[in-house]
Amino acid sequence: DIQMTQIPSILSASVGDRVTITCRASQSISNWLAWYQQKPGKAPKLLIYKASSLENGVPSRFSGRGSGTDFTLTISDLQPEDFATYYCQQYDTDWTFGQGTTVDIK
Amino acid sequence: QDLLVQSGAEVKKPGASVKVSCRVHAYSLSDLSIHWVRQAPGKGLEWMGGFDRKAGQAKYARKFQGRVTVTEDTSLDTAFMELSSLRSEDTAMYYCATGRGEFGVSAQYYFYMDVWGKGTMVTVSS
Repeated sequence: DIQMTQIPSILSASVGDRVTITCRASQSISNWLAWYQQKPGKAPKLLIYKASSLENGVPSRFSGRGSGTDFTLTISDLQPEDFATYYCQQYDTDWTFGQGTTVDIK
Repeated sequence: QDLLVQSGAEVKKPGASVKVSCRVHAYSLSDLSIHWVRQAPGKGLEWMGGFDRKAGQAKYARKFQGRVTVTEDTSLDTAFMELSSLRSEDTAMYYCATGRGEFGVSAQYYFYMDVWGKGTMVTVSS
């Protein structure tokens, strides 16, 4: 099974900051990677698919990069509504999520 | 109206089974692949299994093989996930999800989840 590792687990930041979350796959997944945002009590929301494609309606301050085994999600100019937990998910072989990164207020 | 509407919360005893439903609105279930993801309280997301429409078969995560069954009733546009031999660790929110994808160079279909149900809370307690 493909394992996904996110770094860090918790990220403390302030409004206006630029933050980057890293996701590493245990083997190459090409660019078959998605990023989700989840707020407490809500279902996950798709942000990015195919490593760097922005889902319709998602603000352009969210961006994704990477291929193979190493990927990043960057939020530029962090907004109050961006404080949430973020998950990467590989869909190269079945589906596996990273353990999540919580972005909280510094 | 929401695309995916899930059944209500369940409370089960250890050893029992639970069957969660996910009704599709505005689309035909036959056109969609429905997958199931769970989240224990305070924990991360975990893919359990789903029906791969392109492959025409159900797929299950190794962890749940033999304990989870996904089925569907296309006449009701409803997908089901049944989990058996419940234990306390199965207490979680269970989500159904569907999505879209594309074919890769090897003709494999790569599918990601862009629409989620609101979740069904399953509590396992004696």
